Amino acid sequence: ELKVEQNPLFLSMQEGKNYTIYCNYSTTSDRLYWYRQDPGKSLESLFVLLSNGAVKQEGRLMASLDTKARLSTLHITAAVHDLSATYFCAGPRGSSGGYQKVTFGTGTKLQVIP
Amino acid sequence: NAGVTQTPKFRVLKTGQSMTLLCAQDMNHEYMYWYRQDPGMGLRLIHYSVGEGTTAKGEVPDGYNVSRLKKQNFLLGLESAAPSQTSVYFCASSQGQGWNSPLHFGNGTRLTVT
Repeated sequence: ELKVEQNPLFLSMQEGKNYTIYCNYSTTSDRLYWYRQDPGKSLESLFVLLSNGAVKQEGRLMASLDTKARLSTLHITAAVHDLSATYFCAGPRGSSGGYQKVTFGTGTKLQVIP
Repeated sequence: NAGVTQTPKFRVLKTGQSMTLLCAQDMNHEYMYWYRQDPGMGLRLIHYSVGEGTTAKGEVPDGYNVSRLKKQNFLLGLESAAPSQTSVYFCASSQGQGWNSPLHFGNGTRLTVT
């Protein structure tokens, strides 16, 4: 069964700084998702990483996937207050598309201090 | 474009009472899911559906029932609410057939059982 661990669980950083959130998962998976949740709000999809070595970037966020190391990272460049949210990584529990059950990490709460 | 709509947004129940949460999606997605979110535990899958008329158990199905009579609707029922069911409930849907199919979430229902 897939287990997903994120670290850190809480991150407080100043605006303008860089940081990386790590997502380790326990079984073989060639897909990994990142979601963002604003306080009191729903989750929205940020990135879908579909293969080993996949890298996706949007604005100040960049996500990558290393399936051999069972590791995904979410890198934040020059953080701004608007990035304050909880970030979840999630991996599929099935081995193929269709029955797409996913396991979520516990989330990383990011607080960017002006 | 409404996406995924959940009703109600908030609800308070007494132990032993019953209720139904409604989820509606207008994206013609085959797959629908119910998750619960508890502090420090990420999201856990309660039940899911891979198409109209089908349902299946997720990670934490006990105490819940679901129905998918119409493709666009997925209902979550609590027959006899317990304080342990105090949580935020999220409905989600996905296109599901391909590899690139992230989940689309509703805005959540905050349920308190006293």
